[in-house]
Amino acid sequence: EAQVTQNPRYLITVTGKKLTVTCSQNMNHEYMSWYRQDPGLGLRQIYYSMNVEVTDKGDVPEGYKVSRKEKRNFPLILESPSPNQTSLYFCASRTFLQREWVDTQYFGPGTRLTVL
Amino acid sequence: DAKTTQPNSMESNEEEPVHLPCNHSTISGTDYIHWYRQLPSQGPEYVIHGLTSNVNNRMASLAIAEDRKSSTLILHRATLRDAAVYYCILRDGDAGKSTFGDGTTLTVKP
Repeated sequence: EAQVTQNPRYLITVTGKKLTVTCSQNMNHEYMSWYRQDPGLGLRQIYYSMNVEVTDKGDVPEGYKVSRKEKRNFPLILESPSPNQTSLYFCASRTFLQREWVDTQYFGPGTRLTVL
Repeated sequence: DAKTTQPNSMESNEEEPVHLPCNHSTISGTDYIHWYRQLPSQGPEYVIHGLTSNVNNRMASLAIAEDRKSSTLILHRATLRDAAVYYCILRDGDAGKSTFGDGTTLTVKP
């Protein structure tokens, strides 16, 4: 089954304790992206990657790191989490269709992170 | 990405058609119109997209105004499972950045 998986699904941590949220897709997609979703602020893009070893900042990259060493994985790293990073995080992926420029992103189930 | 404007919320009765509007007056000639929806406690899922012509798929129809400054997502017979937040977004070419607005929360009443 084609899917995007995220782990963990739920995480409660404390300020300053480094954490990684993993994201993996099995569709051989070139593009992967991380979003955070907060009440009243909608979905905001954190980082995206157009392909292996290529990453770029989205709208809210501060406090986050990513890496894209393999095509299928795109982990989100919080080196020193703070309470304002408490949020619902989504990973997404898509392929590039050369026929037309479309944006059919596939989203993971989400990771709910609480930083105390 | 160009900005889109959607109503905050809409209500519908079950088994009736629903027309969800989206305004995008600053759309450029190369922007594709995409619709996603987010069911409760799930990630967004792709619904439909179009450029100029109206589009139909198994989930919905997309009606695009002739001047492309607005579009309407049509659910032909709303079910309770269609209750979700519906997002209308524009994407230009293969840009990596992606911007979702606040969307429209659709409530379906039995």
